[in-house]
Amino acid sequence: EVQLVESGGGLVKPGGSLRLSCAASGFTFSSYSMNWVRQAPGKGLEWVSSISSSSSYIYYADSVKGRFTISRDNAKNSLYLQMNSLRAEDTAVYYCAREISSSWYVYFDYWGQGTLVTVSS
Amino acid sequence: SSELTQDPAVSVALGQTVRITCQGDSLRSYYASWYQQKPGQAPVLVIYGKNNRPSGIPDRFSGSSSGNTASLTITGAQAEDEADYYCNSRDSSGNHHVVFGGGTKLTVL
Repeated sequence: EVQLVESGGGLVKPGGSLRLSCAASGFTFSSYSMNWVRQAPGKGLEWVSSISSSSSYIYYADSVKGRFTISRDNAKNSLYLQMNSLRAEDTAVYYCAREISSSWYVYFDYWGQGTLVTVSS
Repeated sequence: SSELTQDPAVSVALGQTVRITCQGDSLRSYYASWYQQKPGQAPVLVIYGKNNRPSGIPDRFSGSSSGNTASLTITGAQAEDEADYYCNSRDSSGNHHVVFGGGTKLTVL
């Protein structure tokens, strides 16, 4: 059974940092691109970042570029998101999601339960 | 960057058919995928690719596409289908980003 379990969320002050983790199990983690998607309270889904299976390709949404860093450790079956210079607008539930993609589509077939990040003084 | 536009809210009578749409330029190049999200839960993939359902998704869910519009159709809506629905696709700007629609709140009357 595929499982994605996020951790590391919490309350942080504006300008602070936080590191999220996502522990994967039930599939060959090193074969898949992985993503972070967030959802602000009462709002829709927003793609944050993606990383290819071997970490060769990394992409960020414009809203987080230069502040967030995605990484992975295939030996530990883990995905990470280092968040620096946090702002109030970064407050959201952060989901990790497994990506399936081709030239014609991209979709996320498995999602974690999410971890809440609250940026407030 | 690309954008995907969805109606904020749609309603359907129990047992009837409802179509939820998603519009955007990226849909001329990429198939949309659809997700169902119930309150307090993570999104669940319901349709991907041309019109494919993951295991466990009822066959009353189907997808279609024409031009810049993708549609999710629920044929014979059930009470448990009441949820938020999101579409997504690859951004067609060439930046390899992913875009989501703003979501549609489906109410089953």
